[in-house]
Amino acid sequence: SYVLTQPPSVSVAPGQTARISCGGNNIGAKSVHWYQQRPGQAPMLVIYDESDRPSGITERFSGSKSGNTATLTIMRVEAGDEADYYCQVWDVTSDVVFGGGTKLTVL
Amino acid sequence: QVQLQESGPGLVKPSQTLSLTCTLSGGSIKSAGSYWSWIRQLPGKGLEWLGFISHTGYTFYNPSLRSRVVISADTSMSQFSLRLTSVTAADTAVYFCARENGRTYYFDSWGQGTLVTVSS
Repeated sequence: SYVLTQPPSVSVAPGQTARISCGGNNIGAKSVHWYQQRPGQAPMLVIYDESDRPSGITERFSGSKSGNTATLTIMRVEAGDEADYYCQVWDVTSDVVFGGGTKLTVL
Repeated sequence: QVQLQESGPGLVKPSQTLSLTCTLSGGSIKSAGSYWSWIRQLPGKGLEWLGFISHTGYTFYNPSLRSRVVISADTSMSQFSLRLTSVTAADTAVYFCARENGRTYYFDSWGQGTLVTVSS
């Protein structure tokens, strides 16, 4: 089955840039999506198709991909960005696959 | 944008069947290109996709749960449902319904989630 690997945690000071990675075999050939989940809430789509933002998502969120790694970048981090972040792809062998999630802590 | 709301029992006994319903507002199950999905989150854990039903009624399930999962839809009621049979404590989770984009398979609308506990 297909596996997406995320770091368990990332910490960043307010105003700095957070980068959350998502690794997977041949991820370059897949569409990567990112979700933010605040405690007690449902996940919310923040990036789809590697780098597109849904309506209403701040430009501080961006996505990119290089080699076998996709990256969610959050610029000028705010306290309200503290949440769990999940990457997700569709794979022909496993269908929908989520990464294990990364807890972003704003110091 | 479509809004989704889960409903159903919060407590299910072991070996019984978990049944949940997701009600849509502001959209139609027959919307072309939409897949209507169920996703769960075990306590303190990540997200696990259970399966979907398409706007044409086609279903597809997570291979690891395929033998126990059934997803159906009632288009007249703008609802789709999840049935998970033979539950155990390991099925205790928050269950979310979501709309899945049928082109590149991302989830752009989610219900708030409902906690289902499996316990006698």
